[in-house]
Amino acid sequence: KQEVTQIPAALSVPEGENLVLNCSFTDSAIYNLQWFRQDPGKGLTSLLLIQSSQREQTSGRLNASLDKSSGRSTLYIAASQPGDSATYLCAVRAGGGTSYGKLTFGQGTILTVHP
Amino acid sequence: DAGVTQSPTHLIKTRGQHVTLRCSPISGHKSVSWYQQVLGQGPQFIFQYYEKEERGRGNFPDRFSARQFPNYSSELNVNALLLGDSALYLCASSRRGNQGPTDGYTFGSGTRLTVV
Repeated sequence: KQEVTQIPAALSVPEGENLVLNCSFTDSAIYNLQWFRQDPGKGLTSLLLIQSSQREQTSGRLNASLDKSSGRSTLYIAASQPGDSATYLCAVRAGGGTSYGKLTFGQGTILTVHP
Repeated sequence: DAGVTQSPTHLIKTRGQHVTLRCSPISGHKSVSWYQQVLGQGPQFIFQYYEKEERGRGNFPDRFSARQFPNYSSELNVNALLLGDSALYLCASSRRGNQGPTDGYTFGSGTRLTVV
């Protein structure tokens, strides 16, 4: 059974800091990994999708890496801003079999960036 | 282009009642998945449908059911509501059921269900 863990559970930083969010998963047989952002009471916004054959993806100030063999991914946020405050979720997509297409999520990291 | 749309946005029901939640995927997306997110936790997989067939089911009781229509929209039904069913219900669509190498999931804004 796939389990996804995110560390830290919460993070508070001053504006302008660079930060790293961590995600680990127990079963390395994944198709891809997706990072999402969730604002309070809202749905999920996709940030980055990394295929299992890729090592990293970048979008603006965000960079996500994937080490499938060790079951780890990191989301790097450069020059953080108050508008980055949200919950960040990572999710791994299962391979075939009965878990076909299923996303398994971590519990999220609550990020607060204060001015 | 319209994203994934869900209705209603908020709903209050009484224990024992039945509820139907609706989802319209992005145009061209044939796969719809449903997730339940309890406050403070990550979303949990409930169902996936592709081409009107169930392709995956999470660890939820038989009170939960779903279907997908010819236009690829979907309904999630929950019978005999319990207080513990209170959650944000999220719908996600993707281009193909097997979420090919370039596909990710796009989520709707969710339906907030409160059971009293």
